Amino acid sequence: GAVVSQHPSRVICKSGTSVKIECRSLDFQATTMFWYRQFPKQSLMLMATSNEGSKATYEQGVEKDKFLINHASLTLSTLTVTSAHPEDSSFYICSARDMWENTEAFFGQGTRLTVV
Amino acid sequence: AQTVTQSQPEMSVQEAETVTLSCTYDTSESDYYLFWYKQPPSRQMILVIRQEAYKQQNATENRFSVNFQKAAKSFSLKISDSQLGDAAMYFCAYRSALGQGGSEKLVFGKGTKLTVNP
Repeated sequence: GAVVSQHPSRVICKSGTSVKIECRSLDFQATTMFWYRQFPKQSLMLMATSNEGSKATYEQGVEKDKFLINHASLTLSTLTVTSAHPEDSSFYICSARDMWENTEAFFGQGTRLTVV
Repeated sequence: AQTVTQSQPEMSVQEAETVTLSCTYDTSESDYYLFWYKQPPSRQMILVIRQEAYKQQNATENRFSVNFQKAAKSFSLKISDSQLGDAAMYFCAYRSALGQGGSEKLVFGKGTKLTVNP
């Protein structure tokens, strides 16, 4: 199946700094990628839909100035958590769907962010 | 807006036995996709099985099968001959079919934690 690589898998940053998470589709092209946040023992919460070459669409309640999304190519989307605070600590997951296949979305391995 | 409901927060099954996880959904669309995803302790989301709403035949993948009842908006997952490696969180998800005017995004249920007892 298609592979989505998410990097880093774990990151620890200091409060007030920014951290960037990358999501790459390795063997397919994706015009659309999705970013989720998952709290412990809870379901995935969609944060935003990332569209190649255009602005991301954020879900209600998600601060777009805090969670910056860039989708500059058909294989790469990035999520930057700006001025991170301890409450931003969470598990972040990206997914992507092959633009030529009307099939399921493939998920990255996830990133555990800890803000200290 | 579409919603997905998983009414069983936790389920357990004996190894080699069969277990069924429930999922219901609400939509006004006629064409859509339904999925079951597995999330083991590694937290990698793994697709278990997919069902296209226009297909009447229930999807099957080895030990995994679904009971898709479109009129009842029900989509349950049956795991046969349960194995220890099946222990995980299971999420039911909905996605509009392209061309329906709906979003491409997945709508997830809250999940069911499955424990497999040796």
